[in-house]
Amino acid sequence: QKEVEQNSGPLSVPEGAIASLNCTYSDRGSQSFFWYRQYSGKSPELIMSIYSNGDKEDGRFTAQLNKASQYVSLLIRDSQPSDSATYLCAVTTGGFKTIFGAGTRLFVKA
Amino acid sequence: DTAVSQTPKYLVTQMGNDKSIKCEQNLGHDTMYWYKQDSKKFLKIMFSYNNKELIINETVPNRFSPKSPDKAHLNLHINSLELGDSAVYFCASSSPGGSGVANYGYTFGSGTRLTVV
Repeated sequence: QKEVEQNSGPLSVPEGAIASLNCTYSDRGSQSFFWYRQYSGKSPELIMSIYSNGDKEDGRFTAQLNKASQYVSLLIRDSQPSDSATYLCAVTTGGFKTIFGAGTRLFVKA
Repeated sequence: DTAVSQTPKYLVTQMGNDKSIKCEQNLGHDTMYWYKQDSKKFLKIMFSYNNKELIINETVPNRFSPKSPDKAHLNLHINSLELGDSAVYFCASSSPGGSGVANYGYTFGSGTRLTVV
């Protein structure tokens, strides 16, 4: 089992819709959870972090964490073509080691 | 003013050569990292330094040697380059977290695309 798993996609949604991205992780001792956005040919950019169970909202983005189910999700409301990118889920298992998922490619159709 | 800067941005070299990649951060972060992103876009940690001390050393060939002269700099030297070393190498940095939080996320450099021919 991979340490951090994501559906590789591509996930295609129409402009204005909600995009839902999911991630599961294997280490129950994981403490910190992140979503990064990576445009093609660019470096990953941190867009959301979450540390406790529940929802965390920032603008059009909502991160959801369920430690019992070892599940993290990212919702993007009112999706825009500029949101088209690869979204990387990352989990810090403790100490300084952060494991990245393989990423989900999102396409937002205008 | 770039927060995490890497040089060079592109590196094309022949098999067997030795090359170095440099990274500098001006964020005042304590921890720096090297990640490798392969052709399938999978990011894999290679090394991490905290205040110049090596704290993570993943299963990486010993041809790869990191060096941190101070907490703002982390360099990566690669000996005897092989075709399989072709990838994008990212430097990143982070500040320590608070109670129960290891860190507050990474700031990445722009990456170095290494092509071994």
